[in-house]
Amino acid sequence: AQSVTQPDIHITVSEGASLELRCNYSYGATPYLFWYVQSPGQGLQLLLKYFSGDTLVQGIKGFEAEFKRSQSSFNLRKPSVHWSDAAEYFCAVGDGNKLVFGAGTILRVKS
Amino acid sequence: KAGVTQTPRYLIKTRGQQVTLSCSPISGHRSVSWYQQTPGQGLQFLFEYFSETQRNKGNFPGRFSGRQFSNSRSEMNVSTLELGDSALYLCASSYGGTASYEQYFGPGTRLTVT
Repeated sequence: AQSVTQPDIHITVSEGASLELRCNYSYGATPYLFWYVQSPGQGLQLLLKYFSGDTLVQGIKGFEAEFKRSQSSFNLRKPSVHWSDAAEYFCAVGDGNKLVFGAGTILRVKS
Repeated sequence: KAGVTQTPRYLIKTRGQQVTLSCSPISGHRSVSWYQQTPGQGLQFLFEYFSETQRNKGNFPGRFSGRQFSNSRSEMNVSTLELGDSALYLCASSYGGTASYEQYFGPGTRLTVT
């Protein structure tokens, strides 16, 4: 079965600092990969997606992610974090007609 | 374009009751998926519907069921509620077709079973 691992349960960064959230996946073929963000009590918002082609993908809110097949990774990055980025972030892989999610990483931003 | 809407947003039910949750997808989307989110199990896939047909089902007991209407709106039903069914139920829609990966989520229905 396909799986997604997000090794970090919590991450705390200072406002203005750079951010990298890690994601590793297990999938036999070329994966469809996603990052979602969830604010407390809300649904999931799609940040970005990778289907094929350029391994560096740009998303909304200044986020980007890089697909590395050799490392089975799809890490999310942002050069400068804002306090409003505090939320929970989920990495997901498409499997059939469903998404398989990682456990999530809670991002805390300190001023 | 309006997003995915879910009703109701909050529900409190008693153990043994049944509940029906509703989801209206983004206009033009024909696939609707349902997920359960709990602190312990995270986000788990329940089922997916496309053109009124269930195409995929997750590992949940038969108490969890769903359906999709001709206008792509979907409902899910949970019968004989258990305390462990307390969760945030998320609906997601996509265009569908061969792969329905690019999914857009609604705000969820928070179900509390007492």
